[in-house]
Amino acid sequence: EVQLVESGGGLVQPGGSLRLSCAASGFTFNKYWMNWVRQAPGKGLEWVATIKQDESEKYYVDSVEGRFTISRDNAKNLLYLRMSSLRAEDTAVYYCARETYYDSSGSDAFDMWGQGTMVTVSS
Amino acid sequence: DIQMTQSPSSLSASVGDRVTITCRASQSIINYLNWYQHRPGKAPKLLIYAASSLQSGVPSRFSGSGSGTDFTLTISSLQSEDFATYYCQQSYTTPPTFGGGTKVEIK
Repeated sequence: EVQLVESGGGLVQPGGSLRLSCAASGFTFNKYWMNWVRQAPGKGLEWVATIKQDESEKYYVDSVEGRFTISRDNAKNLLYLRMSSLRAEDTAVYYCARETYYDSSGSDAFDMWGQGTMVTVSS
Repeated sequence: DIQMTQSPSSLSASVGDRVTITCRASQSIINYLNWYQHRPGKAPKLLIYAASSLQSGVPSRFSGSGSGTDFTLTISSLQSEDFATYYCQQSYTTPPTFGGGTKVEIK
C-alpha cells in the first residue's frame, strides 16, 4: 500500500526544538521531491518546505527560514523536518506530501499526503 | 509570493446540487493550478491538477477549468462524501501557495 506516516509531534515550549519524521512506503521514495505542509488550528494549508530527490535543493517558506531544516534518508525511505526556535505560531498539524511531476502538462502537484502529526508550541 | 483568493469561503448545499468554487491568482499562473479536498482528521486529497486534469481515481463529477488568473472547481452533483473543505494551490512558482479554502456544508 502506498502511504506516508508522520510521527514526532507533541507539546514543546517556545524556543524549543522538535524533529518530525515521515515514513514512506509503497513507492520509490528516491524518485520524488518531498514536502512538508502545515495547517494551524482553524486556518488553511501552508506549504513549509521542499527537498529534491538527492537533497541538492531545499526551499523554505520565509517564516521558517533559518529555523527549520528539511532532510531525507533515501536508504530508509524517511523524510525529516528539524524544527528549532519554535514559536506559538508554529502550532499546527504537519503533513508530509509527495510531489509528482506530470509530463502531460509540465506541472506538478502534491498527489499523496500523510495523516499529519500535531505540534503544539506552548508554555 | 503569488496570492490565491478563493470564493466563497463557505457555502451550504444539498445532495445533488451543482457546486462551483472559484480561485483567483494575483498574477498569471497559466494553468499551474491544483485543487484539493480536505476532510477533518483526514489527509488532503488531490482532485485536479493542471487546472483541468482529473487525478486518477477521482470521480468524474469533479471538474476544473480556467487559465491565467481565474479558475473554477465544479462538483456536478454533490454527494454526501463531498462535504469537506476545498483548496486551490498554485504550482507556478516557489513558494507554492494555497487559497484560504472553501468549506462545503450540508444545507
